Amino acid sequence: DAKTTQPPSMDCAEGRAANLPCNHSTISGNEYVYWYRQIHSQGPQYIIHGLKNNETNEMASLIITEDRKSSTLILPHATLRDTAVYYCIVRGRFGNEKLTFGTGTRLTIIP
Amino acid sequence: SAVISQKPSRDICQRGTSLTIQCQVDSQVTMMFWYRQQPGQSLTLIATANQGSEATYESGFVIDKFPISRPNLTFSTLTVSNMSPEDSSIYLCSVGKDRGFTYGYTFGSGTRLTVV
Repeated sequence: DAKTTQPPSMDCAEGRAANLPCNHSTISGNEYVYWYRQIHSQGPQYIIHGLKNNETNEMASLIITEDRKSSTLILPHATLRDTAVYYCIVRGRFGNEKLTFGTGTRLTIIP
Repeated sequence: SAVISQKPSRDICQRGTSLTIQCQVDSQVTMMFWYRQQPGQSLTLIATANQGSEATYESGFVIDKFPISRPNLTFSTLTVSNMSPEDSSIYLCSVGKDRGFTYGYTFGSGTRLTVV
């Protein structure tokens, strides 16, 4: 079973910041939080990952709470192309551990 | 990141037949994964394929139904055998740790299978 809980759907106005929450209350000390997204009819795409510090890259920012039991993915200026299903995944550090997908959040960007 | 070519991109098949899906990667990778995504659902892992060893199947998936080959470090196939309409799904391959992109996994664009 997936170790994460996400809201099933969210809307966000184009140009505004989209904040997607994820609960992972059973995360262990050596597990990372990963975010992927799946745009319609495509394979999932890696966005960002983090352990305990906040992270930022060209796509998004990841805010992880101090107790690591939850996190928020932030898309700073959402565009219509950000409409997708976003998956929050918890997994170990090493590269060959399988990914277990939950149900994700369907984010719709409203013009 | 690795570039994955998955074939065919879509197919319509008769029940009782089999379809083999190919996954080609442009670099050598240790692990390859096969997923199924049923209509409107999330991704479910079918099996993990290591080069030179038997694939490891997840609960609910068996080798007779989903035989997998992994002849080298850049290629794998998944066969969907004796198909029924319930096998209509998108099948995706994914690669694990590879040079230049050690943290995220890369996915193919998927094979959309319809069984009639």
